[in-house]
Amino acid sequence: QSVLTQPPSVSAAPGQKVTISCSGSSSNIGNNYVSWYQQLPGTAPKLLIYENNRRPSGIPDRFSGSKSGTSATLGITGLQTGDEADYYCGTWDSSLSAAVFGGGTKLTVL
Amino acid sequence: EVQLVESGGGLVQPGGSLRLSCAASGFTFSNYAMSWVRQAPGKGLDWVSAISGGGGNTYYADSVKGRFTISRDNSKNTLYLQMNSLRAEDTAVYYCAKITMTVVKVLDFQNWGQGTLVTVSS
Repeated sequence: QSVLTQPPSVSAAPGQKVTISCSGSSSNIGNNYVSWYQQLPGTAPKLLIYENNRRPSGIPDRFSGSKSGTSATLGITGLQTGDEADYYCGTWDSSLSAAVFGGGTKLTVL
Repeated sequence: EVQLVESGGGLVQPGGSLRLSCAASGFTFSNYAMSWVRQAPGKGLDWVSAISGGGGNTYYADSVKGRFTISRDNSKNTLYLQMNSLRAEDTAVYYCAKITMTVVKVLDFQNWGQGTLVTVSS
């Protein structure tokens, strides 16, 4: 059971938009930055979003992040088949004094 | 370009020990905190440990506290994870990561290595 809750799977057609939610509590998302990671099949995770809504160099603006209260959302527009991957949210939990991740969401581009 | 290359994984019996290494290049290693994250087969990401740039501060998940030790050699640009008293539930791919960290919290995992597989089984 992960500290952060994500839907197990989402799907959408190519060119469409999808959002992935990440729900937590005041000890984690509510008082800390959220980051998002993309893990393509058979590869290592890659940072997509940091500090809730900032994109590292090289990440296209099709990817966006937002946070409100104890929840965060990853948005992906203009879906491509190459976006099929597992997506994880992450943050710090001040009560646990530990970095925590969501259980991951598998994105299928139909 | 940041490169992180893990090594040292393998098959070990329950109760055994293993030391993982992560060779870093492409950045000033001593300026950055580092971390280990693991992923059990078919499962999600699980944070293991972190260490400050100078090595003076270390942090552990409760599940490995007292069994695992993180360390670094800044003269060799290398991160280590000494794993003792290994259990079947420690079986996972272990990733090292360059991280952003304040004094008390990990903010994000900026770059990841390709991972090394640790299998704990008799």
